[in-house]
Amino acid sequence: ELKVEQNPLFLSMQEGKNYTIYCNYSTTSDRLYWYRQDPGKSLESLFVLLSNGAVKQEGRLMASLDTKARLSTLHITAAVHDLSATYFCAVFGNEKLTFGTGTRLTIIP
Amino acid sequence: DTEVTQTPKHLVMGMTNKKSLKCEQHMGHRAMYWYKQKAKKPPELMFVYSYEKLSINESVPSRFSPECPNSSLLNLHLHALQPEDSALYLCASSQVTSGLYEQYFGPGTRLTVT
Repeated sequence: ELKVEQNPLFLSMQEGKNYTIYCNYSTTSDRLYWYRQDPGKSLESLFVLLSNGAVKQEGRLMASLDTKARLSTLHITAAVHDLSATYFCAVFGNEKLTFGTGTRLTIIP
Repeated sequence: DTEVTQTPKHLVMGMTNKKSLKCEQHMGHRAMYWYKQKAKKPPELMFVYSYEKLSINESVPSRFSPECPNSSLLNLHLHALQPEDSALYLCASSQVTSGLYEQYFGPGTRLTVT
């Protein structure tokens, strides 16, 4: 059974700081997604990573995938309040997406 | 247009009621999904339809009954639910089920069972 773990589960950081969210998964996969979810809202797709070494950037967020280590990272640069949300990674395996535990990010002014 | 729509947005139902959730997409996607999300938890897959055929059923209780009338529509029929079924129900779609294409999520239906 595919297991997907994220850490940290909760992250409180000051505006302007940098930080990284980690996503580890238990079986081989080269199809990984990052989603954002605001409270009471649906999931918004952020990144699609489909090969080892894939790196994608959008604004202050950058995601990478290391399939050999079974690890993806979501790096936040110079955080701003608008980035406060819950971030999920999701790994495709066994013909379905399995979501990570989620990281609740709070940006403090 | 990358929109998945869901109705209703909110639903309150008693344990003896029968209701249906609806999902629609016009992106030409051939895979559609139902997920259940409890508060502060990740989404959990319930059902997958591929080319209008049920391809995955994650051992969901029979009080949840999915239906895919055509390639654009996905329904979830609800009957005799329990209070623990209260959750956000998310519909999603993707081009196909290969995992090479991202899933687009609808806004969800927040269900409360009383």
